Amino acid sequence: SYELIQPPSVSVSPGQTASITCSGDKLGDRFASWYQQKPGQSPVLVIYQDRKRPSGIPERFSGSNSGNTATLTISGTQALDEADYYCQAWDSSTVIFGGGTKLTVL
Amino acid sequence: QAQLQESGPGLMKPSETLSLTCAVSNYSISSGYYGGWIRQPPGKGLEWIGSIYHSGSTYCNPSLKSRVTISVDTSKNQFSLKLNSVTAADTAVYYCARQKDGSGYYFDYWGQGILVTVSS
Repeated sequence: SYELIQPPSVSVSPGQTASITCSGDKLGDRFASWYQQKPGQSPVLVIYQDRKRPSGIPERFSGSNSGNTATLTISGTQALDEADYYCQAWDSSTVIFGGGTKLTVL
Repeated sequence: QAQLQESGPGLMKPSETLSLTCAVSNYSISSGYYGGWIRQPPGKGLEWIGSIYHSGSTYCNPSLKSRVTISVDTSKNQFSLKLNSVTAADTAVYYCARQKDGSGYYFDYWGQGILVTVSS
């Protein structure tokens, strides 16, 4: 079955750029989406179709997808960006989520 | 904007059948979106359960398919999940979400989630 692999944790200093990766076989051949989840809250879509931002998502969130890796990039990371982030793709009529990455802003 | 609200029991006993409903508002369930169910065990990641189109066609996680039934009621603008023979491993927050048809099948709106605990 298809798998998406994310690093368990990423740390970044305030104001710096955070990059969270999501790896899967030929992931670049399919669309990747990203969700942000803060403690006790529902996930929020922050990137869809590799690089598109839903209305209301700050411009500092961006995405890319090529080869076997999709990347969520947060520029000028703020303390309020501290959260869990999940990638998601669609394969053979199945939704797949990555295991999630905890982003720590310190 | 779209709103989704889960409802159902918060506490169940092993071997029972879990039944959840997702009431949708501010958009029609027949307007070209899927309705999806996703769950999250305490302290763990997201797990997709399954999705349904307004026509009734469904997709399910192969690991849960034998226990899952997803249905839709377009007249009530809602969709439902049944998970039978629950065990403690099914304890989780269950979310319903609106899922875009095609081009990534992403979930753009989520309900607040409902915690379901399975315990004897």
